[in-house]
Amino acid sequence: QSVLTQPPSVSAAPGQKVTISCSGSSSNIGNNYVSWYQHLPGTAPKLLIYDNNKRPSGIPDRFSGSKSGTSATLGITGLQTGDEADYYCGTWSISLSVVVFGGGTKLTVL
Amino acid sequence: QVQLQESGPGLVKPSETLSLTCTVSGGAISSSSYYWGWIRQPPGKGLAWIGTIYYNGSTYYKPSLRSRLTISVDTSKNQFSLKLSSVTAADTALYYCVRQSSLRRANFDYWGHGTLVTVSS
Repeated sequence: QSVLTQPPSVSAAPGQKVTISCSGSSSNIGNNYVSWYQHLPGTAPKLLIYDNNKRPSGIPDRFSGSKSGTSATLGITGLQTGDEADYYCGTWSISLSVVVFGGGTKLTVL
Repeated sequence: QVQLQESGPGLVKPSETLSLTCTVSGGAISSSSYYWGWIRQPPGKGLAWIGTIYYNGSTYYKPSLRSRLTISVDTSKNQFSLKLSSVTAADTALYYCVRQSSLRRANFDYWGHGTLVTVSS
């Protein structure tokens, strides 16, 4: 069982928008920055969002991040079939002294 | 462009030591801006951080693995390594080496392709 809670799966049609939630506590998300990763099948995970809402160079603005209190959200607009992947949130846990990840959310673009 | 490449045996016997090396190219491992770490993914499960090292040798490990884990760095070869002793089937996983921000501990901006390590007799 992961320290950060994500929905196991989400789905939406091409062109639509989807959000993925990541719920934690004051000892992790509540007091640290959140990152988001995209894990396409057969490839290495890719950093999508860092510092709650910043995008690394090369990441399209279809991807966005936000944080409020002890929860974070990843938003993806203009869904494409190539966005089908597992998405993970991650942050530092003060109480556990570890980097913690969510259990991952599988995105299906119908 | 920074690249990371894991290497090491794909099969380890129970109770033995798992050893992996990550070779970094396109950037100096001795950069003060980054840490270097290991993350694993057991089959069918999510990502799990293992531990991290700085170029000067300072480390921090996942507490549950601390008694079995050693991460070291060789700046002359631009490599860092992982050793996990007394392995069991629970250590079977895809192991990734990563570059980690020194300011944001959950920022892993470069990843190796990953190497599958199976613990089996």
